[in-house]
Amino acid sequence: EAQVTQNPRYLITVTGKKLTVTCSQNMNHEYMSWYRQDPGLGLRQIYYSMNVEVTDKGDVPEGYKVSRKEKRNFPLILESPSPNQTSLYFCASSPIARQETQYFGPGTRLLVL
Amino acid sequence: GEDVEQSLFLSVREGDSSVINCTYTDSSSTYLYWYKQEPGAGLQLLTYIFSNMDMKQDQRLTVLLNKKDKHLSLRIADTQTGDSAIYFCADTNDYKLSFGAGTTVTVRA
Repeated sequence: EAQVTQNPRYLITVTGKKLTVTCSQNMNHEYMSWYRQDPGLGLRQIYYSMNVEVTDKGDVPEGYKVSRKEKRNFPLILESPSPNQTSLYFCASSPIARQETQYFGPGTRLLVL
Repeated sequence: GEDVEQSLFLSVREGDSSVINCTYTDSSSTYLYWYKQEPGAGLQLLTYIFSNMDMKQDQRLTVLLNKKDKHLSLRIADTQTGDSAIYFCADTNDYKLSFGAGTTVTVRA
């Protein structure tokens, strides 16, 4: 089944404790992206990647890092989480040639205390 | 990103038509989208329209695009209780999606 998976789905952590949210897709998509969703703000793009070893900042990259060592994986790293990073995070992927078909993962709900 | 704006709430009676409106600012958008998010779930792509089209119909869904006014709308015919969700309008330029804040649609019996 074609899908985007994220882990964990739910996470409670404390300020300053490094964490990684994994994202994996099995569709051989070149493009992958991370968004955060906050009430009244919709989804805002954090980082995106056009292919392996190619990553770029989105609208709200501060406090986040990403890597794209393999085509299928695009982990989101919070080196020192803060309470303002409490949010719902979505990973998405699409083929480069079919940007209209972005597939979204199920979301990761993060609470930073 | 470019601004995408939509009204926050819509209440509609079951069986009536729903119309959700959206405005965007990026005139170079290639595609415009409507996503649906049900409670506790991820985003589901409902439909999309290419920027050189005025209208797209897909079963109960009709998308209208007024490129001159940068206005996009989604009409849901014969609205059902299963249509209760948050609907996001989004535009894209060079693979970057810019989302509106979402319209919460509540269907009442």
